[in-house]
Amino acid sequence: DAGVTQSPTHLIKTRGQHVTLRCSPISGHKSVSWYQQVLGQGPQFIFQYYEKEERGRGNFPDRFSARQFPNYSSELNVNALLLGDSALYLCASSLPGQTGYTFGSGTRLTVV
Amino acid sequence: DQQVKQNSPSLSVQEGRISILNCDYTNSMFDYFLWYKKYPAEGPTFLISISSIKDKNEDGRFTVFLNKSAKHLSLHIVPSQPGDSAVYFCAAIGDSGGYQKVTFGTGTKLQVIP
Repeated sequence: DAGVTQSPTHLIKTRGQHVTLRCSPISGHKSVSWYQQVLGQGPQFIFQYYEKEERGRGNFPDRFSARQFPNYSSELNVNALLLGDSALYLCASSLPGQTGYTFGSGTRLTVV
Repeated sequence: DQQVKQNSPSLSVQEGRISILNCDYTNSMFDYFLWYKKYPAEGPTFLISISSIKDKNEDGRFTVFLNKSAKHLSLHIVPSQPGDSAVYFCAAIGDSGGYQKVTFGTGTKLQVIP
């Protein structure tokens, strides 16, 4: 049974470019959340989607956007990349009422 | 505003001994607390959770203790094994305007020495 899958695993972008990160949740999981983890810090909440609707948004600028598709997969988009956007981007999925989120292995984004 | 804090960035423990990882929080409205374990190049793996109405939860070698009055929780690993060497994140779940938001601490790197 596949876990949460994220693509790509690594990515290098130039300042000012945009990036799209992808996430496929565990089969049957309808909730997807995105987190940013900067080196030495804990994951910071970016977005949560449930049934294709945004349920929550963390303290991130409007350059960050996301969406969830009918098959519950999700994309995270970041425009006008800054050096400070370099981080590990994690996707997590869960069932309604489930307290333990299952994380993917993340996408390591490097902005140069 | 760091609502979940792990004040020890690292911890070294001898194999077979007890590892105690600590976490403090400021928001008394958190409903659940979780511990995650993270290896390099992998996503965090859920370890154990505790409801805010409990004071202890045990799962094999892992026990989490919650002291609500002190807004403090701890993870005990007994006995510690070299494979336990990883970064451990404390996390708290609370309702945030209609959705369950997870807030993570900064992590504690545990090294279990053989």
